Amino acid sequence: NAGVMQNPRHLVRRRGQEARLRCSPMKGHSHVYWYRQLPEEGLKFMVYLQKENIIDESGMPKERFSAEFPKEGPSILRIQQVVRGDSAAYFCASSPQDRLRAFFGQGTRLTVV
Amino acid sequence: GENVEQHPSTLSVQEGDSAVIKCTYSDSASNYFPWYKQELGKGPQLIIDIRSNVGEKKDQRIAVTLNKTAKHFSLHITETQPEDSAVYFCAASKGSNYQLIWGAGTKLIIKP
Repeated sequence: NAGVMQNPRHLVRRRGQEARLRCSPMKGHSHVYWYRQLPEEGLKFMVYLQKENIIDESGMPKERFSAEFPKEGPSILRIQQVVRGDSAAYFCASSPQDRLRAFFGQGTRLTVV
Repeated sequence: GENVEQHPSTLSVQEGDSAVIKCTYSDSASNYFPWYKQELGKGPQLIIDIRSNVGEKKDQRIAVTLNKTAKHFSLHITETQPEDSAVYFCAASKGSNYQLIWGAGTKLIIKP
């Protein structure tokens, strides 16, 4: 039973490029959450999705950031026109139907140069 | 909104001794309090959690206590081992586990 899978583990983008981060939840989990972590800080909630639905995106910047969780395939966090301030670790978590206990992936470390 | 404060930021203990990390929260409606362990370069790993209808929970060497009146909760690790070295985060939420509000983390160092 594989855990939450995120890829890529490391991503380097030049300013102005697009970054696509992927997350495959644990088997049987239908709830996905994205968090962002700056060095030596706690995680900050970005967005909560269920299949084909964005439930809460209150923690996600309104510009340049978008997220989806299609019927088939992984959840995608997309950052357009990246800036240096987007450099961070982005973590995905999933939980089962009853939303108890989120399990985290290994994260994607985005570096904008 | 909710605010979670965590202390200390760094904790160094001798192997075999106990470690205690404390968190306070501001929103009395919060009712779910997980603790996560994060090793370098890895994602947070849930190690124990507690809901507001209980005051204490234990799992082998790890225990969590909750004082709803004072709005604080603590992680206790007994008989610490080198593999306990990591950053520990507390968090709090209301109603469901998304929108977890996280503490700033405690770097636990176990001295051999």
